[in-house]
Amino acid sequence: QVRLQESGPGLVKPSGTLSLTCAVSGGSISSGNWWSWVRQTPEKALEWIGEIYHSGSTNYNPSLKSRVSISVDKSKNQFALKVTSVTAADTAIYYCARDIIRGGWFDSWGQGILVTVSS
Amino acid sequence: DIVLTQSPDSLAVALGERATINCKSSQSVLYNSNNKNYLAWYQQKSGQPPKLLIYWASTRESGVPDRFSGSGSGTDFTLTISSLQAEDVAVYYCQHYYGTPLTFGGGTKVEI
Repeated sequence: QVRLQESGPGLVKPSGTLSLTCAVSGGSISSGNWWSWVRQTPEKALEWIGEIYHSGSTNYNPSLKSRVSISVDKSKNQFALKVTSVTAADTAIYYCARDIIRGGWFDSWGQGILVTVSS
Repeated sequence: DIVLTQSPDSLAVALGERATINCKSSQSVLYNSNNKNYLAWYQQKSGQPPKLLIYWASTRESGVPDRFSGSGSGTDFTLTISSLQAEDVAVYYCQHYYGTPLTFGGGTKVEI
């Protein structure tokens, strides 16, 4: 069974860059699935950030596209998220998840990592 | 973007009774070429990530108890818990995948 684990700083300064990594175990990131980032605000709203395929193809939420990039490292079986110019509104629990199909539903999720934007 | 509106925001149900959660989409998520509704349901317990329950609006994920069922088509969908158990206390979300951006409903909190 595939497992996902997020890692990265839990505190980022305003105007800085949020960087997270998702390690995939129990399966290959080149398995044919897409891989997504989803965040959950303190108000519990869920927001899809974007997804990536092992080839490097990406799809982003237009609301975040100008500030977000997702990359993949097949050698390490992991993928990463960067969000630039962060504000307090980017404070959230960030989850990585596996898409069953491109732009589909999520059958496996990481435990999530809380990222707080504060000086 | 497709907006998913869930109702109610919360509900309290007695053990063994039925719980019904609604999800209304701002546009149809039925893809005519394959007659499939591009909608999923998740359960999120406190302190945990969401867990997939249902996809294609009515297909239960492997391992999900059969007291959970999904129904509906087009713009109106329902998640039903036929006989509420204590372990079903959670927040439930619908999500569409009829194109990007993928969006989620606001969630429905189910309590005993």
